[in-house]
Amino acid sequence: SQTIHQWPATLVQPVGSPLSLECTVEGTSNPNLYWYRQAAGRGLQLLFYSVGIGQISSEVPQNLSASRPQDRQFILSSKKLLLSDSGFYLCAWSVSRVGVGYTFGSGTRLTVV
Amino acid sequence: DQQVKQNSPSLSVQEGRISILNCDYTNSMFDYFLWYKKYPAEGPTFLISISSIKDKNEDGRFTVFLNKSAKHLSLHIVPSQPGDSAVYFCAASDHSGYALNFGKGTSLLVTP
Repeated sequence: SQTIHQWPATLVQPVGSPLSLECTVEGTSNPNLYWYRQAAGRGLQLLFYSVGIGQISSEVPQNLSASRPQDRQFILSSKKLLLSDSGFYLCAWSVSRVGVGYTFGSGTRLTVV
Repeated sequence: DQQVKQNSPSLSVQEGRISILNCDYTNSMFDYFLWYKKYPAEGPTFLISISSIKDKNEDGRFTVFLNKSAKHLSLHIVPSQPGDSAVYFCAASDHSGYALNFGKGTSLLVTP
């Protein structure tokens, strides 16, 4: 069966520090991978998605970047965190172009102080 | 711009009663709609979906209704249970898109 792992679960980082969040999927090949953020009082905002290794599409220009070094690995990074980067970050995968049946990871609560 | 809108940020319902969560969309190209349920500090989990070729889909206590002419869908939970207390997200996609568009969510509280 397919599983998605996301870590760490919580993270407190100072302003200006770097960030690396990792997400891996098991039990499937060539998944579509997604990074979402849920900020306080806001919905689920799509940050990045990837349909293959090295293919990254950015939905919102910002202080973050994403990479997909392996088929089932998706990494969210920042060189210098801002206070506004605080939020709940979610990784998700899908096998369908339409995005049917996303499966989400358990999320990372990031607090930038 | 927000293409999927959930205009009620919160809803409180008594246990045993019906919960109705509403969602509106603006993009007429959307042809697949989903509801996700999210507990605090957890990822959303898929609840129920509906294709634009249908106007109703039922799964146990959960029913989703789609009104394409009004660009409106709703989720009915009958009977509501305390364990249904969570944030519910409406999402939509079109056949050419890679990603889902989510609403801002509605926080449902089911009281005993």
